[in-house]
Amino acid sequence: AQTVTQSQPEMSVQEAETVTLSCTYDTSESDYYLFWYKQPPSRQMILVIRQEAYKQQNATENRFSVNFQKAAKSFSLKISDSQLGDAAMYFCAYRSANFGNEKLTFGTGTRLTIIP
Amino acid sequence: EAGVAQSPRYKIIEKRQSVAFWCNPISGHATLYWYQQILGQGPKLLIQFQNNGVVDDSQLPKDRFSAERLKGVDSTLKIQPAKLEDSAVYLCASSLDGGQQETQYFGPGTRLLVL
Repeated sequence: AQTVTQSQPEMSVQEAETVTLSCTYDTSESDYYLFWYKQPPSRQMILVIRQEAYKQQNATENRFSVNFQKAAKSFSLKISDSQLGDAAMYFCAYRSANFGNEKLTFGTGTRLTIIP
Repeated sequence: EAGVAQSPRYKIIEKRQSVAFWCNPISGHATLYWYQQILGQGPKLLIQFQNNGVVDDSQLPKDRFSAERLKGVDSTLKIQPAKLEDSAVYLCASSLDGGQQETQYFGPGTRLLVL
């Protein structure tokens, strides 16, 4: 079974600064997908960024980028130019590429606070 | 485009009572998921539907939880009887066809408190 570990329960960053959230995972599969989801206090889970394991290039979405290290099974999220609206719980998630196994396996989350 | 709708948003019940949650996925989405998110943890899949058929219910406590998706659209998740440990947020998500490329879109969740 796959597991996802987020070792930072809480992080804080000054507004406009850069912060990196860590995620490691364990799997015996070679093909899979990794995600970062954001969950603001309203509880609606929103996809931030995704990475296909077969792609060597790190995914980027505006101010959000990942550092995907497949051999190390590491998938960190970098948020540049942090904004007050970035405050939320951030969840790292894994999904197998095997047909019929589309469920997301989540980590325990990192609560990000933005300091004005 | 309307998102995933869930109701109620909040529910408080006493243990051993029954409760039901409703989910309306994004129009045209064939795959529907129910996740349970206990405080301080990440969401955990309870059941996945493809149209009106069950794809994965391996983590659904079937002695007390049941779910259905009649006509392949709306879905209902029921707990009967509820236990204290069922206190959690129940998230519904949907995706276009459940394929590996598909993004799962989440609803706002139903927060359940069992007293």
